[in-house]
Amino acid sequence: QVQLVQSGAEVKKPGSSVKVSCKASGGTFSSYAISWVRQAPGQGLEWMGGIIPIFGTANYAQKFQGRVTITTDESTSTAYMELSSLRSEDTAVYYCARAGLYCSGGSCYPDAFDIWGQGTMVTVSS
Amino acid sequence: EIVLTQSPGTLSLSPGERATLSCRASQSVSSSYLAWYQQKPGQAPRLLIYGASSRATGIPDRFSGSGSGTDFTLTISRLEPEDFAVYYCQQYGSSQGTFGQGTKLEIK
Repeated sequence: QVQLVQSGAEVKKPGSSVKVSCKASGGTFSSYAISWVRQAPGQGLEWMGGIIPIFGTANYAQKFQGRVTITTDESTSTAYMELSSLRSEDTAVYYCARAGLYCSGGSCYPDAFDIWGQGTMVTVSS
Repeated sequence: EIVLTQSPGTLSLSPGERATLSCRASQSVSSSYLAWYQQKPGQAPRLLIYGASSRATGIPDRFSGSGSGTDFTLTISRLEPEDFAVYYCQQYGSSQGTFGQGTKLEIK
């Protein structure tokens, strides 16, 4: 059974960057998509973006365009999410999630998120 | 970008009762690529329903999903104590995977 294991909690200064990792344990994710979702304290879920490793293409929510970079290292079955220019509003739990793929009109997209990481708390504070 | 609006914001019911949660999209969700997730405090979300009406692996049959186009519903036929949580809908029928704001299901 595949599990997604995320890196530990981070405390960052405003203006800095954070890079969170997500390693697939017990399997690979080369034929899946990996997305990142965040949840600010007491708030709902917010989709940030995702990547399909076999295509190597990442897709980002407009809100985070230019500030977030999602990458993968297939040799270690690890995905990464880097968020730059951090501000206090970025304080949140960051989740990675795996999805299968569905294809339509010559392109492939993530399906529903069936496996989630345990979450990584990122605190942005001066 | 498709915006999902869930209602009600909070639903207060007793164990054994039936729960009906709504998710309305600002535009049609292609091919019913609509999912429902359950989240309990301190835990990651769990996939309940995908494709608007298909139960995920291991999900009890008291959970059911329905709808198409812009209107979707999650129904819990008889509430168990462990069902009280926050529920989110999500559309994944485009390159952007947006979530609704959530419905909190609390014990009355």
